[in-house]
Amino acid sequence: DAGITQSPRHKVTETGTPVTLRCHQTENHRYMYWYRQDPGHGLRLIHYSYGVKDTDKGEVSDGYSVSRSKTEDFLLTLESATSSQTSVYFCAIRVAMGTGAYNEQFFGPGTRLTVL
Amino acid sequence: AQSVTQLDSQVPVFEEAPVELRCNYSSSVSVYLFWYVQYPNQGLQLLLKYLSGSTLVKGINGFEAEFNKSQTSFHLRKPSVHISDTAEYFCAVRGAVAAGNKLTFGGGTRVLVKP
Repeated sequence: DAGITQSPRHKVTETGTPVTLRCHQTENHRYMYWYRQDPGHGLRLIHYSYGVKDTDKGEVSDGYSVSRSKTEDFLLTLESATSSQTSVYFCAIRVAMGTGAYNEQFFGPGTRLTVL
Repeated sequence: AQSVTQLDSQVPVFEEAPVELRCNYSSSVSVYLFWYVQYPNQGLQLLLKYLSGSTLVKGINGFEAEFNKSQTSFHLRKPSVHISDTAEYFCAVRGAVAAGNKLTFGGGTRVLVKP
């Protein structure tokens, strides 16, 4: 357990509504990530953050925004949810394990989002 | 940019039999390689990683993987599987100097261990 929690764990919403998912860490790590998991695609990076108010896009960022106003929280927002955003969303943190090359990502338990 | 291909989407295997999960990657730069496991309804857990050094890497739960640079492969093996190894396995790659330490994942291989 790397001290990562995600909320909510499950959510059902309707097309066109805004949705915010929260990732919370307890260990003050600088890097945080949001991925989505879809069958056959593995995990794909949506956005990541390298510090408070410092974020960058991943490979599937369209339709998503993120915010990080404090180190421990990384929020993912779907401004207007669509059925194609039905997925399982994972948050991850980067944990340094010695030198810069030796770091690992630890994953949260996931949020299952269904957009009807 | 990197890409990862897991050649088998599903692998059924009998308990106590060996299993090999295949992973090939493409990259124009040096890479670090990872295998993650996802048990049903859980997050991902790191099984093992290759950063440098010996090309044979041992991980948790009796798994090992071999890095083959000429074949751009990082296949995962276990000599004798248990029912509890039923899970989905993901191969991932990260460029050695990737901005943001971003991981690129393969599509996953679902392993079903039968009694």
